Amino acid sequence: GQNIDQPTEMTATEGAIVQINCTYQTSGFNGLFWYQQHAGEAPTCLTSTVLDGVEEKGRFTSFLRRTKGYSYLLLKELQMKDSASYLCAVTDSNYQLIWGAGTKLIIKP
Amino acid sequence: ETGVTQTPRHLVMGMTNKKSLKCEQHLGHNAMYWYKQSAKKPLELMFVYSLEERVENNSVPSRFSPECPNSSHLFLHLHTLQPEDSALYLCASSQESGTGGYGYTFGSGTRLTVV
Repeated sequence: GQNIDQPTEMTATEGAIVQINCTYQTSGFNGLFWYQQHAGEAPTCLTSTVLDGVEEKGRFTSFLRRTKGYSYLLLKELQMKDSASYLCAVTDSNYQLIWGAGTKLIIKP
Repeated sequence: ETGVTQTPRHLVMGMTNKKSLKCEQHLGHNAMYWYKQSAKKPLELMFVYSLEERVENNSVPSRFSPECPNSSHLFLHLHTLQPEDSALYLCASSQESGTGGYGYTFGSGTRLTVV
């Protein structure tokens, strides 16, 4: 079966750095997405990557290593507004979108 | 506001009630989706519509009935639900179906509680 694993919950301190890991086993690969979802709001796409390596978008950095079925999302200079759930999702060979259960990130002052 | 609007934001219904969820997008997208999001579980794709035709139905119980009268509107009709159907129901749209997540825009969801 197809599966995506990510930690259920993480806690970090304002101003610090946190890394959220995602491992996946899917039937093929056509892209990986990281979404941010604040409580009661729509999920919004932070990054989408197809190739191995690092992609930076402001304070957010995503990393992908396809041969390992592994990605992470790095958040720098954490702010209280970064408290949210972060969802990892992978597009398989049939262009089906497979979702992880999400990581709830709690930021403490 | 993402461009995809869902109403109502919250809904409490009894197991014998009939209610409908509404989703509206004015992004010019041709595909619309219903997802179920339960706590600590991955998003579950329920239905996919492309140009008002249902193209995917992922073994969803018949107590959930979708309707897509045009490419801008999507409904989810609910009847005789069970407590385990309590969840956040998300609507999404994309330019075309089968893009595997590229270009998805989500609404803020309807928080459904079945009592």
